[in-house]
Amino acid sequence: GAGVSQSPSNKVTEKGKDVELRCDPISGHTALYWYRQSLGQGLEFLIYFQGNSAPDKSGLPSDRFSAERTGGSVSTLTIQRTQQEDSAVYLCASSPRTSGVETQYFGPGTRLLVL
Amino acid sequence: AQSVTQPDIHITVSEGASLELRCNYSYGATPYLFWYVQSPGQGLQLLLKYFSGDTLVQGIKGFEAEFKRSQSSFNLRKPSVHWSDAAEYFCAVGANTGTASKLTFGTGTRLQVTL
Repeated sequence: GAGVSQSPSNKVTEKGKDVELRCDPISGHTALYWYRQSLGQGLEFLIYFQGNSAPDKSGLPSDRFSAERTGGSVSTLTIQRTQQEDSAVYLCASSPRTSGVETQYFGPGTRLLVL
Repeated sequence: AQSVTQPDIHITVSEGASLELRCNYSYGATPYLFWYVQSPGQGLQLLLKYFSGDTLVQGIKGFEAEFKRSQSSFNLRKPSVHWSDAAEYFCAVGANTGTASKLTFGTGTRLQVTL
């Protein structure tokens, strides 16, 4: 079946502009995660959605970052007033979230460059 | 809080040689451990995982890893490396905090394979 998809693949924006990144999880997966991968860094957890529960936003680096998940499926990560340090690859993952820790399935990522 | 250390930033091996990538974790409870691989421009693909049971786990592409609780390690091995194994490898530990299932990643090891 189809995997996790993300769009756009690449995004170049100017400092100060807002950007929206989209994630389509695997059908039937109730858990959705966003991570950020900066150059030379590991993956940094940003936010986690599970069903209708309140999202875990503990990894968001500032209030310029927000995310929503509509209808328990598609998610959008929004970065307002982008800064150059926001340049990174943003990865989305999903899992069935039946119980406990599960394997997360990753999308190809969105490469964001802030000029 | 959990953490993962991958002490080798970059490793170069000859095709056909054996490979061992190191991973050390810190976690207070029984860890859930993962190895992912990321090829250039791609998302992360799961190689293998350890949740419980046999401490030697087999994965895809001929990889295996051994969980050693006494050493807090989960090293990845392959007896004979192929040129197509050149990629970046990430070790991760999973924690179920009740409301979230997060993965904490190491900073990755970049594998170069010489012919």
